[in-house]
Amino acid sequence: EPEVTQTPSHQVTQMGQEVILRCVPISNHLYFYWYRQILGQKVEFLVSFYNNEISEKSEIFDDQFSVERPDGSNFTLKIRSTKLEDSAMYFCASRPRTAPTYEQYFGPGTRLTVT
Amino acid sequence: KNQVEQSPQSLIILEGKNCTLQCNYTVSPFSNLRWYKQDTGRGPVSLTIMTFSENTKSNGRYTATLDADTKQSSLHITASQLSDSASYICVVTILTGGGNKLTFGTGTQLKVEL
Repeated sequence: EPEVTQTPSHQVTQMGQEVILRCVPISNHLYFYWYRQILGQKVEFLVSFYNNEISEKSEIFDDQFSVERPDGSNFTLKIRSTKLEDSAMYFCASRPRTAPTYEQYFGPGTRLTVT
Repeated sequence: KNQVEQSPQSLIILEGKNCTLQCNYTVSPFSNLRWYKQDTGRGPVSLTIMTFSENTKSNGRYTATLDADTKQSSLHITASQLSDSASYICVVTILTGGGNKLTFGTGTQLKVEL
């Protein structure tokens, strides 16, 4: 069964450094999402992406964040200058356009640790 | 403010027993309600999805109910197994111009013991 994959599984970086989190959505999906989950807290929406542009973003998704679909398979989340509070699990999700109930399929997540 | 509240926060039950998890929401405009299971360190996995016109949906030992009038949902787990130990998250969807936006609850941490 097709699944969303994410790399790396764990990323450790120093404060102020740039990080790129990578996701490979399910191949025939058209909508893509990033979420984050700070340890012990609920999952929070960051951004949705469709037709090569951001369709919606939350207040968390400030100028330090960007997303890109550089080719036909990858979907990336870049944090330009990481802060301690960016430490969290980051989940990528995708969905097919025709899903009647708009099901989103989540990847296993990347744990980002900022030191 | 769009919110999803879940109770209890945590729950411990013996293997083979049943349990019911609760969800109250104040999300608008409502599109659908989902229950997800999230194992520690993993991404959420969908259990059920219900639109406002559905009041119950089952997936194996999981049965979800929805009362759109009172904005309440429940997830009932029958004959629990050790592998049911996980966080169960209620998620309400808002239809937006961008497709859909998920609002997550804080989850109920379920532990099933021998």
